[in-house]
Amino acid sequence: AQTVTQSQPEMSVQEAETVTLSCTYDTSENNYYLFWYKQPPSRQMILVIRQEAYKQQNATENRFSVNFQKAAKSFSLKISDSQLGDTAMYFCAFTAYGNKLVFGAGTILRVKS
Amino acid sequence: GAVVSQHPSRVICKSGTSVKIECRSLDFQATTMFWYRQFPKQSLMLMATSNEGSKATYEQGVEKDKFLINHASLTLSTLTVTSAHPEDSSFYICSASDRDGGTEAFFGQGTRLTVV
Repeated sequence: AQTVTQSQPEMSVQEAETVTLSCTYDTSENNYYLFWYKQPPSRQMILVIRQEAYKQQNATENRFSVNFQKAAKSFSLKISDSQLGDTAMYFCAFTAYGNKLVFGAGTILRVKS
Repeated sequence: GAVVSQHPSRVICKSGTSVKIECRSLDFQATTMFWYRQFPKQSLMLMATSNEGSKATYEQGVEKDKFLINHASLTLSTLTVTSAHPEDSSFYICSASDRDGGTEAFFGQGTRLTVV
């Protein structure tokens, strides 16, 4: 069975600074996808970034980037130049081909002005 | 990206009644949809996988007779909470993918159910 672990229940960061959210996972699959989802107070789930396991290059989307370490089964999210609108709950998630999403427990991120 | 519409966004019902929540994929066909339940400040808990034209697959511990799922078309899945009780009050979210596994899931807006 696949598991996803987020060890930081809550984090805070000052506006314009950089923060890194941790995620580790466990799987015996070789091909899979990893995601970071953002859930703001509206509770709408928003995809932040995705990573295919077969790609060695770390995914980047504007201020968001990941550090994907396949051997270590680690998938951290770095948010640069944090903005107030980044305040949300962030979920790390995993899916193998044809399977459902497995979510971590989530990290509440608060960006302070 | 693809759009998934969930309705209603909020519903209040009396204890003992049933309530139906709809999940529609607006611009793509979804052979599989997923239903999640979320408590405040917690993660999404998968309840069931909804398969078009066949019976839903329920996760362990989820009562299939209480949470009825119907996926009658490639664009619509419904979750009916039967004989609702206050402990069923929660936030319910659906998701769908536009092709089989390993790709992005698109989420509905969620439904806040309150049973009084």
